[in-house]
Amino acid sequence: EDQVTQSPEALRLQEGESSSLNCSYTVSGLRGLFWYRQDPGKGPEFLFTLYSAGEEKEKERLKATLTKKESFLHITAPKPEDSATYLCAVQAGTYKYIFGTGTRLKVLA
Amino acid sequence: NAGVTQTPKFQVLKTGQSMTLQCAQDMNHEYMSWYRQDPGMGLRLIHYSVGAGITDQGEVPNGYNVSRSTTEDFPLRLLSAAPSQTSVYFCASRRQDSYEQYFGPGTRLTVT
Repeated sequence: EDQVTQSPEALRLQEGESSSLNCSYTVSGLRGLFWYRQDPGKGPEFLFTLYSAGEEKEKERLKATLTKKESFLHITAPKPEDSATYLCAVQAGTYKYIFGTGTRLKVLA
Repeated sequence: NAGVTQTPKFQVLKTGQSMTLQCAQDMNHEYMSWYRQDPGMGLRLIHYSVGAGITDQGEVPNGYNVSRSTTEDFPLRLLSAAPSQTSVYFCASRRQDSYEQYFGPGTRLTVT
């Protein structure tokens, strides 16, 4: 069964304290893995797409990596404005996306 | 570009009422979809469309209807609302040659 599991469910960091969010997946025929940021009361905002093991993408303080079984979203020296829920999703078919339940990140000043 | 827009932002319905959630995009994307987001669960696909006149069911289609008469619009109809349909609904779109979806701001629906 296709499945996406994100951990931890919630994470509190001090400003400047780097950490990583995990997304483990089980899917037959991965077509892409996606990271989104979601602020309260808003829709998910696209961050990254990763297609193959070993691939890495970076944007400001965020870096996403992919292996054959999991993806990490590394947050370097986070700021309070990085506080949000981060969603991971995999594309399991042309029109089928499986979403994880997200990691709620709170960065304290 | 406005991107993906949704109306209304909030809606309260009584059990058995019907309504339509509106979704529009101005990016000329072929693919559009509707998701619902419930606490403790990932986004789940309700219906999707790969172009005007073409729709198909997703993971949780029961109780919902869709149609797509234009590239821009993809309304979601609740036929007879039930408390189990209380949720936040998101519309998304993407180009046919890309896997990256872009989401609207959502509609928070409460059914009493």
